[in-house]
Amino acid sequence: AQSVTQPDIHITVSEGASLELRCNYSYGATPYLFWYVQSPGQGLQLLLKYFSGDTLVQGIKGFEAEFKRSQSSFNLRKPSVHWSDAAEYFCAVGSLNYGGSQGNLIFGKGTKLSVKP
Amino acid sequence: DAGVIQSPRHEVTEMGQEVTLRCKPISGHDYLFWYRQTMMRGLELLIYFNNNVPIDDSGMPEDRFSAKMPNASFSTLKIQPSEPRDSAVYFCASTPAVVGDEQFFGPGTRLTVL
Repeated sequence: AQSVTQPDIHITVSEGASLELRCNYSYGATPYLFWYVQSPGQGLQLLLKYFSGDTLVQGIKGFEAEFKRSQSSFNLRKPSVHWSDAAEYFCAVGSLNYGGSQGNLIFGKGTKLSVKP
Repeated sequence: DAGVIQSPRHEVTEMGQEVTLRCKPISGHDYLFWYRQTMMRGLELLIYFNNNVPIDDSGMPEDRFSAKMPNASFSTLKIQPSEPRDSAVYFCASTPAVVGDEQFFGPGTRLTVL
């Protein structure tokens, strides 16, 4: 069965420090992968996605993620964190249904990011 | 486009009452998803539709929950009767037909069942 693991429930970093949020997935075929961000009281917003091609993908707000097939990972990174990045971050893997068309996303449990001034 | 629209944004009701949550997807999106988010269980997919037809409802917790999509621009999630353990934030999301495209989420409905 497909699954997504975000091993860190809560991470605190200092403003200006670098950030890496971990995501591991379990999927039988080539996955398509997403990172979403959720600010308090808001819905989820897409940061970036990987479908095929270059394994290093750039997203909005200065985030990037690298797909590593050998490690079944899709870690999210940012070189310098801003206070406004404090939010919850969700990794998700996409699936195809039996007919090969769009299926649902499987979400990880999320990582809450706090930023110290 | 205004994005995915959900109503109400907040709902407080008493146990045993019927609750109806509403969603208007982005125009032209063929897929619509209902999720539930709680602290304990995270974000769970309840059901999703393709071209107004339910494709997978295996996430619907029990018969008290039902969802409909009478047309391409409207969907409802109904809980009858509601219970305190149904308290959660319910999200609706939509996406175009293209495989691998992102899901666009609404702002959510925060449901509290007393």
